[in-house]
Amino acid sequence: DAGVTQSPTHLIKTRGQQVTLRCSPKSGHDTVSWYQQALGQGPQFIFQYYEEEERQRGNFPDRFSGHQFPNYSSELNVNALLLGDSALYLCASSITGLASTDTQYFGPGTRLTVL
Amino acid sequence: RKEVEQDPGPFNVPEGATVAFNCTYSNSASQSFFWYRQDCRKEPKLLMSVYSSGNEDGRFTAQLNRASQYISLLIRDSKLSDSATYLCVVNRVSNTGKLIFGQGTTLQVKP
Repeated sequence: DAGVTQSPTHLIKTRGQQVTLRCSPKSGHDTVSWYQQALGQGPQFIFQYYEEEERQRGNFPDRFSGHQFPNYSSELNVNALLLGDSALYLCASSITGLASTDTQYFGPGTRLTVL
Repeated sequence: RKEVEQDPGPFNVPEGATVAFNCTYSNSASQSFFWYRQDCRKEPKLLMSVYSSGNEDGRFTAQLNRASQYISLLIRDSKLSDSATYLCVVNRVSNTGKLIFGQGTTLQVKP
């Protein structure tokens, strides 16, 4: 049973560029959440996708956008990259509507460096 | 003030020691509580959920005090392999709401 997968594992971009990160949820999961983890900090919630729509959003600017596809996979897009966007981007998958659990399972992350 | 606060440590303990981590949360509407473990440059992994009645999993015991908005994790008989960062996590909305993470507490177990 494949867990959560993310691509690419590492990425280097320059300021002002745009980036797309990808996530495939755990088999049977329908909900994808994205988090940003800066060095030495805990992950911060960016947004969550369910049924191909953004369901919740954290305190991130509109430069951060996303998409969920019919197969439940998801993309995170960041426009006009800033140095401060350098971080580990984590995708987490879960199941909505299953009362017995609200556990989220994390992928290995994409480490983004903005120069 | 951060919504979930932890002492970042590091906690340096010898093998076999008992160590306790504490965490406080500010939003009384929080519904679900967890401890995650994160190894260096890896993703967070669920260690255990935390219930008001307290719960134990082997050497690990977690407690929740809703009145004081306080969560704890106790590790007994520490192993070298317990060295990691321990993240306190709350969820305001049960069943796939957004997770709010503390900064994490770093544990180093020394031989």
